[in-house]
Amino acid sequence: TQLLEQSPQFLSIQEGENLTVYCNSSSVFSSLQWYRQEPGEGPVLLVTVVTGGEVKKLKRLTFQFGDARKDSSLHITAAQTGDTGLYLCAGISGNTGKLIFGQGTTLQVKP
Amino acid sequence: KAGVTQTPRYLIKTRGQQVTLSCSPISGHRSVSWYQQTPGQGLQFLFEYFSETQRNKGNFPGRFSGRQFSNSRSEMNVSTLELGDSALYLCASSYYGGSPNTGELFFGEGSRLTVL
Repeated sequence: TQLLEQSPQFLSIQEGENLTVYCNSSSVFSSLQWYRQEPGEGPVLLVTVVTGGEVKKLKRLTFQFGDARKDSSLHITAAQTGDTGLYLCAGISGNTGKLIFGQGTTLQVKP
Repeated sequence: KAGVTQTPRYLIKTRGQQVTLSCSPISGHRSVSWYQQTPGQGLQFLFEYFSETQRNKGNFPGRFSGRQFSNSRSEMNVSTLELGDSALYLCASSYYGGSPNTGELFFGEGSRLTVL
């Protein structure tokens, strides 16, 4: 069974700080997605990374896909209170084509 | 365009009852997936329907079932409810479906089920 492990599970920081969330697996994924979920809403796609080593930037968010396509990271620069939410990584298995979600990282950014 | 619509948003049931949840996907999307979200287990895949056919299924007991209609709307049913079924049930639609699925998932706001 392919698993995606996210770390940390919980993160509470002050506005203006930087942070990195990690998503790791022992298996290869054909692509990996990052979603953000705010309270009372469903997850919303932030980015999809496909190529090993790929780096994508979305304003203050930087996403990286590992060279071996087994891991990914999300880095937020100068976090804002609006970044608060649950961040989920989801990998598409290279074997089955199924989408597998990590457990999520709950981020709280305090003013 | 309209997003994914799930009904009802909240519901309370007692053990042993059954429940039906509804999901209307984004117009033009033929794939509908269902997920169960709990604080302890995270987002767990239930099943995916594409053009009225179940294409993928997660590791849930047979009490959990679903179907998709010709207009792509989908329903999921949980029979003989247990306390552990309390969760947020999320529906997601996608333009692409089946395997491999590389399309973006568009989630609804979910149906929060509480089983007493």
